[in-house]
Amino acid sequence: KAGVTQTPRYLIKTRGQQVTLSCSPISGHRSVSWYQQTPGQGLQFLFEYFSETQRNKGNFPGRFSGRQFSNSRSEMNVSTLELGDSALYLCASSPGGANVLTFGAGSRLTVL
Amino acid sequence: GENVEQHPSTLSVQEGDSAVIKCTYSDSASNYFPWYKQELGKRPQLIIDIRSNVGEKKDQRIAVTLNKTAKHFSLHITETQPEDSAVYFCAAPDQGSGNTGKLIFGQGTTLQVKP
Repeated sequence: KAGVTQTPRYLIKTRGQQVTLSCSPISGHRSVSWYQQTPGQGLQFLFEYFSETQRNKGNFPGRFSGRQFSNSRSEMNVSTLELGDSALYLCASSPGGANVLTFGAGSRLTVL
Repeated sequence: GENVEQHPSTLSVQEGDSAVIKCTYSDSASNYFPWYKQELGKRPQLIIDIRSNVGEKKDQRIAVTLNKTAKHFSLHITETQPEDSAVYFCAAPDQGSGNTGKLIFGQGTTLQVKP
């Protein structure tokens, strides 16, 4: 059974640009959650999508957005990038009725 | 919302010794407590979890204990090995989020096992 797949794995952007990250969950998993991991703040919840609807939202500015498609794949977008957005962005999937998360390898974003 | 505090932030033990990491949480309604292990450069992986209807759960060399009255849960690793060296995170569901993907994570514990 394939795991959670995130693309791209690494990317470098400059301030003011935008970025889109993709996540393919485990087959059959309907929930996709996104987390930001930084050395200073640890793992922080961004948002969760379930059946194409945002089910939960963390405390991040509106520059951070996401969506989920009918096949459960999810994308997150960060607009007007800031230096502080440099982080590892982790996607996790779960069956939907439980909070047992399986993480992807992450997308490491560097903002210059 | 939920607040999770994890201690210690770093832990160094000799191979073969035991390691204990403790987390406290604030929401008495929380009912699910997972532990994740993240090796350097890799993804967090679930190693053990416990639900609020049990006080202890074991899986080979690792165990988790839960004290609902005191609102804390602990990870115990016995007979540590160098491959146990990693960052360990505890977590709990955010208040009111139920069985969803919204977890609040502790700040992490860097465990170093010296050969």
